[in-house]
Amino acid sequence: AQRVTQPEKLLSVFKGAPVELKCNYSYSGSPELFWYVQYSRQRLQLLLRHISRESIKGFTADLNKGETSFHLKKPFAQEEDSAMYYCAPLRITYNNNDMRFGAGTRLTVKP
Amino acid sequence: GAGVSQSPSNKVTEKGKDVELRCDPISGHTALYWYRQSLGQGLEFLIYFQGNSAPDKSGLPSDRFSAERTGGSVSTLTIQRTQQEDSAVYLCASSTDRGPSYEQYFGPGTRLTVT
Repeated sequence: AQRVTQPEKLLSVFKGAPVELKCNYSYSGSPELFWYVQYSRQRLQLLLRHISRESIKGFTADLNKGETSFHLKKPFAQEEDSAMYYCAPLRITYNNNDMRFGAGTRLTVKP
Repeated sequence: GAGVSQSPSNKVTEKGKDVELRCDPISGHTALYWYRQSLGQGLEFLIYFQGNSAPDKSGLPSDRFSAERTGGSVSTLTIQRTQQEDSAVYLCASSTDRGPSYEQYFGPGTRLTVT
């Protein structure tokens, strides 16, 4: 069965420390992968997508096909990074774009 | 350029009553998703509409839940005979089916409280 796993429901780090939010997927084919973020009292929004190979707000995510992982990393966490983070793989088939989210990780960055 | 809108923003209902939640997607977006966000439960997929294809209802938790999408645009999620465990924030999202980006745009959600 297709599945997204975010093993940590809660993650707490101190400001300035590195942070890694884990995501593993089990999807047939080669999915595209995304990270979404929800800050307090804001809408859920796209953070970054692997196909763009971009760095947003200091965050990067590398697709590791061997480990079927797409972990989100930031070398120096900031307090404003505190939010709920969701990993989402997109499986594209004919006439169907199936995107299902992981259970999410709540990141707290302490001062 | 309005984004995804949802109504009502808050709904309090008594156990056993039916509720309807509405989602207006971004114009031209062919894909529409419903999710449920519960405290401590993350984001739970409910149902997915893609163009004229039959919807993917595999995430609906029981037969008390149903959804329609009329004219390929507005969608309504209906919960019949509500239970307290239905209390959650219900999120709607829409996206285009044109590559390379399939970014989902989310609405603000409807907070449902069943008393």
